[in-house]
Formats: sequence, C-alpha cells, structure tokens
Amino acid sequence: NAGVMQNPRHLVRRRGQEARLRCSPMKGHSHVYWYRQLPEEGLKFMVYLQKENIIDESGMPKERFSAEFPKEGPSILRIQQVVRGDSAAYFCASSPPSSEYEQYFGPGTRLTVT
Amino acid sequence: ELKVEQNPLFLSMQEGKNYTIYCNYSTTSDRLYWYRQDPGKSLESLFVLLSNGAVKQEGRLMASLDTKARLSTLHITAAVHDLSATYFCAVERGTDKLIFGTGTRLQVFP
Repeated sequence: NAGVMQNPRHLVRRRGQEARLRCSPMKGHSHVYWYRQLPEEGLKFMVYLQKENIIDESGMPKERFSAEFPKEGPSILRIQQVVRGDSAAYFCASSPPSSEYEQYFGPGTRLTVT
Repeated sequence: ELKVEQNPLFLSMQEGKNYTIYCNYSTTSDRLYWYRQDPGKSLESLFVLLSNGAVKQEGRLMASLDTKARLSTLHITAAVHDLSATYFCAVERGTDKLIFGTGTRLQVFP
C-alpha cells in the first residue's frame, strides 16, 4: 500500500505566478489535511477536506489560497499570485474515515518563490 | 483556542546523557503525538498517546502523558548521534486537525 504521495516535491515560482500542489491520499483514506511549515517553525494547519467537501478551512489565508478534493483524482492546494512569504514546505496528510486512526503524512512539497 | 508549547526549543546534549523534552497544551485533547523530523524531510510518527498515564517506549525514547496536567514528556536515555533531529508534539481534537508545538531541535555531540 503506497503511502501519501505529493507532487511536485520541489516547486519554484516567480512572484505573481500560480502554484498547484497535489496530494494523493493513501488507498482507502477519504480525509485529507494540508499543513504549512515555514522555515524553522512547526507545522500549521491549513485545511481539512473530505471528498468534494471542505470541512474546516480555518487555517487558510483569506485570499489567494484555495483547496479542493474532487470525487476523482488528487487533492489540490492552489496558491494564486504567489509572494515570497508563501515560500514554505506544504505537507499533506490523510486518514481513514474514522476518528480511531491517525493521520499519515506525505513527503511534502517545498515551494520557493523567487 | 488550543495552544501547544514545547520546551526547550534547542537542546544540545552529549552522547550518553539523558534529557527530557516537555509539551504543554492548553485545553483537553483526544490524542497526543510525537514526531521526528530530519532536515528537509517529512514527519516520522514516533508515539501516539491516548489516555492519562499512557507510557510508550521505543529504543532510547520514552513518551508519557498526563492529561490532568495537560503535559506530555519525551525522555531521551543515553543519547546517541543518530537521535539528532527536530522533535514535535502535536495535539488532536476530534478528527479535525493537529495543533503542533514549536518543535525542539536536538543536537547530540560526541
């Protein structure tokens, strides 16, 4: 059973461009979480999604950031008009549809905005 | 709002010594996790603590949970260089999200 997959692993964007980060959860997992880690800091929750639904987006910046988890395909975290402050590692985690199970983390996407 | 604090933030220790990392959280939680992160890498799950008084051990690491004091500890016994990494605790409420501590950067030197 493959783990949580994220791509790309490294992404370089110039200021003003768009960044699209993809996350494929583990097989059988229907819950997806996105976290951001700024350099030298801990992870900060961004958004929690289930298939076709955003459950909790309390950690998402109000502008430029959006997330989706369609019925088919990976979850997408989209950042429009990136700025240097968006440079960070973005981690996706997934879990089965039960509160008994912990979240499993992907390898992360390291976004660099130049 | 749930807050999680770790201390110390940085820890430099000699091989063979013992030390404890502390994790305090502000409100009740369902589960507490300890993770290890190597530079440029993802998170490695070390322990999941579910109930008051829970204690788990793996090799030179031992984690405990006191829900009444809202405190978890990660104890390192006879440190070795391979333990050098950043250690995070994280608290979970429901199925919603993990709230992470600030992390403790551990460096073990000969």
